[in-house]
Amino acid sequence: GENVEQHPSTLSVQEGDSAVIKCTYSDSASNYFPWYKQELGKGPQLIIDIRSNVGEKKDQRIAVTLNKTAKHFSLHITETQPEDSAVYFCAASIGNQFYFGTGTSLTVIP
Amino acid sequence: SAVISQKPSRDICQRGTSLTIQCQVDSQVTMMFWYRQQPGQSLTLIATANQGSEATYESGFVIDKFPISRPNLTFSTLTVSNMSPEDSSIYLCRGGGLSGYTFGSGTRLTVV
Repeated sequence: GENVEQHPSTLSVQEGDSAVIKCTYSDSASNYFPWYKQELGKGPQLIIDIRSNVGEKKDQRIAVTLNKTAKHFSLHITETQPEDSAVYFCAASIGNQFYFGTGTSLTVIP
Repeated sequence: SAVISQKPSRDICQRGTSLTIQCQVDSQVTMMFWYRQQPGQSLTLIATANQGSEATYESGFVIDKFPISRPNLTFSTLTVSNMSPEDSSIYLCRGGGLSGYTFGSGTRLTVV
């Protein structure tokens, strides 16, 4: 089955700096890669996603890149703000099945 | 994407009792997935539920412990039965279809 690895597990950045979280996957059949933000006490919220026919997608301060050959995808957050502090999960999807990474706890230091 | 209301948001339960968690979707969804998220961990899939058929359980999860109902395309329940402290966790539903998938807000369960 699919195996998704996520790094780093924790990340601290100064406010205004950029944050990058990386994920790798094993199954080349995966074709959809969402990123979720989970704040304390809440369910995961979709923040951005990318499909396998696209190499990069951007939404304001958030961008995702996908390298199908290397089987890795990354989340980039620019101009970080304290409200970006949360746990971020990546996922790789084959059909309806989602395989989640282990999460990255991001802390933005004011 | 669909909007999912999940209840209760949190509960503290006595060991040996059962708790039923509900997810109500504002539109019809083809698939409903139930997850467990233990403290500081990622999401572990418990089972997948389709309407009109028995849920499909992942390895390590059994129907007697986690019975699931899916009476229609907008509603599903997960029951955590005969609870022990090891069942303390966040439980999440995820529903959707071709138009996308959405998580419920989660149920934080503490078993004492």
